[in-house]
Amino acid sequence: GDSVTQMEGPVTLSEEAFLTINCTYTATGYPSLFWYVQYPGEGLQLLLKATKADDKGSNKGFEATYRKETTSFHLEKGSVQVSDSAVYFCALRMDSGGGADGLTFGKGTHLIIQP
Amino acid sequence: IAGITQAPTSQILAAGRRMTLRCTQDMRHNAMYWYRQDLGLGLRLIHYSNTAGTTGKGEVPDGYSVSRANTDDFPLTLASAVPSQTSVYFCASSATRATEAFFGQGTRLTVV
Repeated sequence: GDSVTQMEGPVTLSEEAFLTINCTYTATGYPSLFWYVQYPGEGLQLLLKATKADDKGSNKGFEATYRKETTSFHLEKGSVQVSDSAVYFCALRMDSGGGADGLTFGKGTHLIIQP
Repeated sequence: IAGITQAPTSQILAAGRRMTLRCTQDMRHNAMYWYRQDLGLGLRLIHYSNTAGTTGKGEVPDGYSVSRANTDDFPLTLASAVPSQTSVYFCASSATRATEAFFGQGTRLTVV
């Protein structure tokens, strides 16, 4: 079945450091890919998305590029802030076909940014 | 503000009791979902509904049931709660099964 693998962390960085959170996926077709962010005590919020190969999603300084050849969707940010501390989830969705609906999530990466 | 409302926000429940978690959305989305979030396991799909009147089983449906009588509401029922159902439950919706999902704030359920 479809699956998403991401580093679980916690990942601890200093403010203004460069961030990479790796995400790779396994899918039988061509999924849409998403990054969600969960701040403490809150639900998940969509951070960015990409729907086809070579698409780049971006939002709030975060970027991720859909790489079909490496089945990856790594999240990057050039200079992190304390307010970026949260849990980040990589997810995929197949746009067609049978089976259970909904998103397939990675297990989440807890990011801690220290001042 | 448009979005998804879940109730209650938290609940402590005795084992064996019946409990319904409520979820309402005002975005007129066709698809709705229930997930549970557990430490080290991420989010797992319990049940889903692609449109009013239809439901389907996700990855971990045992012990849970859902109904979709109308577009806006998608309640999740635990017929006889067990401690392993202690979790944070998230309801979500999307315009279609191919578009991004929007999440509620979650219900923290403790079964003792």
